[in-house]
Amino acid sequence: DSGVTQTPKHLITATGQRVTLRCSPRSGDLSVYWYQQSLDQGLQFLIQYYNGEERAKGNILERFSAQQFPDLHSELNLSSLELGDSALYFCASSLSGGGGNSPLHFGNGTRLTVT
Amino acid sequence: GENVEQHPSTLSVQEGDSAVIKCTYSDSASNYFPWYKQELGKRPQLIIDIRSNVGEKKDQRIAVTLNKTAKHFSLHITETQPEDSAVYFCAAQRDDKIIFGKGTRLHILP
Repeated sequence: DSGVTQTPKHLITATGQRVTLRCSPRSGDLSVYWYQQSLDQGLQFLIQYYNGEERAKGNILERFSAQQFPDLHSELNLSSLELGDSALYFCASSLSGGGGNSPLHFGNGTRLTVT
Repeated sequence: GENVEQHPSTLSVQEGDSAVIKCTYSDSASNYFPWYKQELGKRPQLIIDIRSNVGEKKDQRIAVTLNKTAKHFSLHITETQPEDSAVYFCAAQRDDKIIFGKGTRLHILP
């Protein structure tokens, strides 16, 4: 168990809808990262937060947004969903963000299926 | 922009043989290099890492080497076993900026 909790585990929704994915980082970790992984693909970096503030953005679509709350949990919002958004969405947390290096601890992911 | 190239994309080795996966990075300021293993349908998990002040690190059957001058690092798995079948990702990291390679799918053949 990585200590990172993602909910829900599975999500099935229709095109055009909006969903929210939730992530609780490992206790003590300040950084939260979101990744998208389509079938047989690599880890596409979406966005990173550190202690409540946006730190870095990857190739995140304008239809997607995220935030990190004061209790450090994070939510990824996906709107106007398209079939191509179907993927496994991972959240990862790490201690670092203000300097220093530490590994990422991944949650078990949320599998999103858009029909 | 910064990039991490990972090769090969697919690797098949006979059980008991060794496997080597190589990565090159472009950001010379990268100073931390973790490797993650992702089994089918599961989350990536850290298996070994190396920092820039070390040239080699070993943990049982797994070893990682780093050549800072050439900006490349490699994962070596010896005496491969069926449970080593997975996708392996390398990453180059500077503080909290992390660049992943595209992954190597390792097949262990019986």
